[in-house]
Amino acid sequence: EVQLVESGGGLVQPGRSLRLSCTASGFTFGDYAMSWVRQAPGKGLEWVGFIRSKAYGGTTEYAASVKGRFTISRDDSKSIAYLQMNSLKTEDTAVYYCTSYSSGFGMDVWGQGTTVTVSS
Amino acid sequence: SYELTQPPSVSVSPGQTASITCSGDKLGDKYACWYQQKPGQSPVLVIYQDSKRPSGIPERFSGSNSGNTATLTISGTQAMDEADYYCQAWDSISVVFGGGTKLTVL
Repeated sequence: EVQLVESGGGLVQPGRSLRLSCTASGFTFGDYAMSWVRQAPGKGLEWVGFIRSKAYGGTTEYAASVKGRFTISRDDSKSIAYLQMNSLKTEDTAVYYCTSYSSGFGMDVWGQGTTVTVSS
Repeated sequence: SYELTQPPSVSVSPGQTASITCSGDKLGDKYACWYQQKPGQSPVLVIYQDSKRPSGIPERFSGSNSGNTATLTISGTQAMDEADYYCQAWDSISVVFGGGTKLTVL
């Protein structure tokens, strides 16, 4: 079964850091780009960023709202994608979803999400 | 920055056809996707590349994209189709989501 499981969410103070993990199973993780999408309470979906597969350089792209503060990385040997979040703001409070990603094809596998709350 | 606009809500009677629109500048020149999200659940891809259905998505879901508007059509709408629907497209390398449409089946 194809599955993505996020972990690492929690309550964090503004200005602090948090790292989310996304563990994949049921498919060849290294062959796929991976994306992070977030959803603030009661709001719509917001793209955070994605990381290409190593075959395409393993490079990253980010939304303007998180560029310079968030970093996506991957460990293909462990089938894990990471989202490192620094200098967190209250407006980063959201459920964070990990997804598979393909340009032009969309996001066909989603994790269950992990909740990040940024508050003092 | 590129924007996608959806109506906040759409209502449909059971068995009827629901149409949800997504508008953006020259959207027809880009690929559009659609996601369904039910309360408390993760989104599910229901349409990709404008009109293709992933495996497991019922045939009553269809999509089109032309000009400035992409449309998700649900034929023979069922109560189980009540959900939020989000369109998504690409602006160069960036991913853009519409604001979402709440589909009510009543």
